[in-house]
Amino acid sequence: AQSVTQPDIHITVSEGASLELRCNYSYGATPYLFWYVQSPGQGLQLLLKYFSGDTLVQGIKGFEAEFKRSQSSFNLRKPSVHWSDAAEYFCAWGDNDMRFGAGTRLTVKP
Amino acid sequence: EAGVAQSPRYKIIEKRQSVAFWCNPISGHATLYWYQQILGQGPKLLIQFQNNGVVDDSQLPKDRFSAERLKGVDSTLKIQPAKLEDSAVYLCATKLALGGTYEQYFGPGTRLTVT
Repeated sequence: AQSVTQPDIHITVSEGASLELRCNYSYGATPYLFWYVQSPGQGLQLLLKYFSGDTLVQGIKGFEAEFKRSQSSFNLRKPSVHWSDAAEYFCAWGDNDMRFGAGTRLTVKP
Repeated sequence: EAGVAQSPRYKIIEKRQSVAFWCNPISGHATLYWYQQILGQGPKLLIQFQNNGVVDDSQLPKDRFSAERLKGVDSTLKIQPAKLEDSAVYLCATKLALGGTYEQYFGPGTRLTVT
């Protein structure tokens, strides 16, 4: 079945440490891939997107993601996490509509 | 540019009651979506409009859910009668297509609690 999988339900990192959130997809077609962030009580905000071209994508707030077709992955990274990054992060695959993973909750320790 | 507006932000109802949510999209965005986000899950598409026409409502529980988009602008989503399992955040989103790519812009959502 077509799906987007985020293997980590909850991740805790220390402020200033690096971060990698995993995302795998199982769609056969060329994927349009997205990462969104959702703070409590807020809607989803787009961090970055991949449609084609350079497989390393830069986004807002210092985030980047790398598309690896051989691994069917689109992992999100940040070199140094800030306390304000604590939120829920969603990977999504989109064509005409959007299919979301279950999300990864990020906790940042002081 | 104003974002996607939704109201109410919160709603508590008893099961078997009816409820309606309203969405005002970003001006000029022709495509509008309603998503249901159950606690601990990612958003799930309920219905997609292109202007005032339905493009995809395959995941909409049509025995109790209905949606319309008047004049291709504002949209309402209604549940009648509500069940306990309808407790969720209902997100409205609109799409902007630009230069071979696109983005969806999300509203803040309406949190529905059914007791």
